[in-house]
Amino acid sequence: DVKVTQSSRYLVKRTGEKVFLECVQDMDHENMFWYRQDPGLGLRLIYFSYDVKMKEKGDIPEGYSVSREKKERFSLILESASTSQTSMYLCASSPRVLYEQYFGPGTRLTVT
Amino acid sequence: GQQVMQIPQYQHVQEGEDFTTYCNSSTTLSNIQWYKQRPGGHPVFLIQLVKSGEVKKQKRLTFQFGEAKKNSSLHITATQTTDVGTYFCAGEGGSNYKLTFGKGTLLTVNP
Repeated sequence: DVKVTQSSRYLVKRTGEKVFLECVQDMDHENMFWYRQDPGLGLRLIYFSYDVKMKEKGDIPEGYSVSREKKERFSLILESASTSQTSMYLCASSPRVLYEQYFGPGTRLTVT
Repeated sequence: GQQVMQIPQYQHVQEGEDFTTYCNSSTTLSNIQWYKQRPGGHPVFLIQLVKSGEVKKQKRLTFQFGEAKKNSSLHITATQTTDVGTYFCAGEGGSNYKLTFGKGTLLTVNP
């Protein structure tokens, strides 16, 4: 079974802090994704990566950056956390472009 | 940009009743995927449709892809309490190789 793990299930940070969210997949998938999920807004794509050191902006990249130094690991960075970034963050991976996506358990981030 | 609209937003049914959620795109889709998210869980892939007019079944679930590849539906026959959750469709239609998710339909089932 594909396993996608995320570093934390719950995280509380203060406004202005730099926040790192880590995601690791164990199936050698090429593509990895970061989404945020908010009530009534569904899943919105922040960034995705189709290869090591490659990244593409999604629909809402403002305030975020990403890093993919190794194939199995995709990090989401909030350079200066704001309360508007309080959300559920979901990481996903897929073997190829437009194939099924496998999601991690999510990180619920609260910024106070 | 591409938009994927999903209706209804909520649906409450009695156990044993049927349920349908609909997905409509502003552009022609190359494929459509369906996911289920249980309360407190993460989205889990159900199925992918790629052909115009395609119909696929998984036990009590029937998935359809429209002839024009701009709409899709998920129908559940005789709902059970285990069907509770949010059902999302996701499609790609702008040659940008990324999926756009609908906002989902939350299904609740009264036993």
